[in-house]
Formats: sequence, C-alpha cells, structure tokens
Amino acid sequence: SAVISQKPSRDICQRGTSLTIQCQVDSQVTMMFWYRQQPGQSLTLIATANQGSEATYESGFVIDKFPISRPNLTFSTLTVSNMSPEDSSIYLCSVERSLGGNTIYFGEGSWLTVV
Amino acid sequence: EDKVVQSPLSLVVHEGDTVTLNCSYEVTNFRSLLWYKQEKKAPTFLFMLTSSGIEKKSGRLSSILDKKELFSILNITATQTGDSAVYLCAVRTGTASKLTFGTGTRLQVTL
Repeated sequence: SAVISQKPSRDICQRGTSLTIQCQVDSQVTMMFWYRQQPGQSLTLIATANQGSEATYESGFVIDKFPISRPNLTFSTLTVSNMSPEDSSIYLCSVERSLGGNTIYFGEGSWLTVV
Repeated sequence: EDKVVQSPLSLVVHEGDTVTLNCSYEVTNFRSLLWYKQEKKAPTFLFMLTSSGIEKKSGRLSSILDKKELFSILNITATQTGDSAVYLCAVRTGTASKLTFGTGTRLQVTL
C-alpha cells in the first residue's frame, strides 16, 4: 500500500477565502490525483497532477478555482479558491502505485466546511 | 460519458448474514475495476479486477468480474458490525488512470 498524508484533516473556512491542501506520499509516484466528495455523493475526479507540467482538469473544474502544484514526485497541493458553501466537501489525494498491479490508493482526506 | 451504477443503494442486514453488492458499468477503454470500503473519510482499497471469471478473495470478502456482461459483484459472508460502511465501485479507464466511481452501497450490519 501507500502512506499518503493530507493536511489539514479538517477545517472550517470563511466564504470568499482560499485554502491550500497538502498531500505528501511516502515514496515517489508518477501520477497523483485530486478528488472531491460532496456530502452524500460519491467521488469525482478534479484533476491529475503531473510533475513538471500543468495539471489536467476534468470537465467542470478549472485551474482558476482549483490551482494545483506538483513540485516533486512525493508532494502536491490543491488550493480551493474563493470558497462558497458549495465547496464544502471532502477533498482526497490519491496515487497510483505499480507494486501489486497499478492500484490506486487514497489519502485520509481533508474535510472542508465553508460558512 | 462513462457510467458506473451500484445496487442496492443501501442495505441493512443482521450479523452473520451474507450480502452481495452489485456494480455495473458502461465505459470506454476499460482497464480495471476496483472496490473500496469507506468508513469515515478515506476509501480503503479492497480489490482490483482486470480479468473475467477470476475470483479475488480476502478473508470473508470476495469479488468477481464479468467483462462480457459489464458487471462485478462483491460478496461478504458471515457479516460483522465492523463491515458497516459504504462500499464503492470504481472503473479505471484510459491511459491516465482516471477512476469513475459509482454512488456506493451503504451497508449496515446490526446485531
């Protein structure tokens, strides 16, 4: 498996502010992914974070709202910008590990509540 | 658009019962199907299936994939209260390893 640490674990944010979530992996990985899980919903892919290039965003997600950094092969950040109550979600970092057949593992998640 | 459908949406069983959770999919460029257990925040990996007809087993949990009929099942035998969780099915497609998730099945095991 993979050890994936996320910070913060939980936060309450004011409307209009921005928050950066950090994801640290215990070893180098090529691909890192950011997912969102809104209350009562399943997981939706926001973007794929590639080291050395810009993130690839899924339909409905834009870089201005969710800027992503990937400075090296073990770390990534996701910023949720200009937050509104609709951004209240769990944000999850995930990685693909080639050991055991290219399985995808998830971090512990960051639970954001926007008030 | 890729689509993953899980059934039932929720299920309440008594401890010791056997349950079967279903996952059907319609996707392009299928690579694999994954099952996860989500209790609080992080989905915990259970199985990855790539070939039809080969059962994956871990303790009381098992899963199998049918690529012709485009579905998978997850079986849990002799259920325990600790099995209470949301079980997520996800399909990986394409070269970018994107996962498309179903809505999940919420399982509650009562004494």
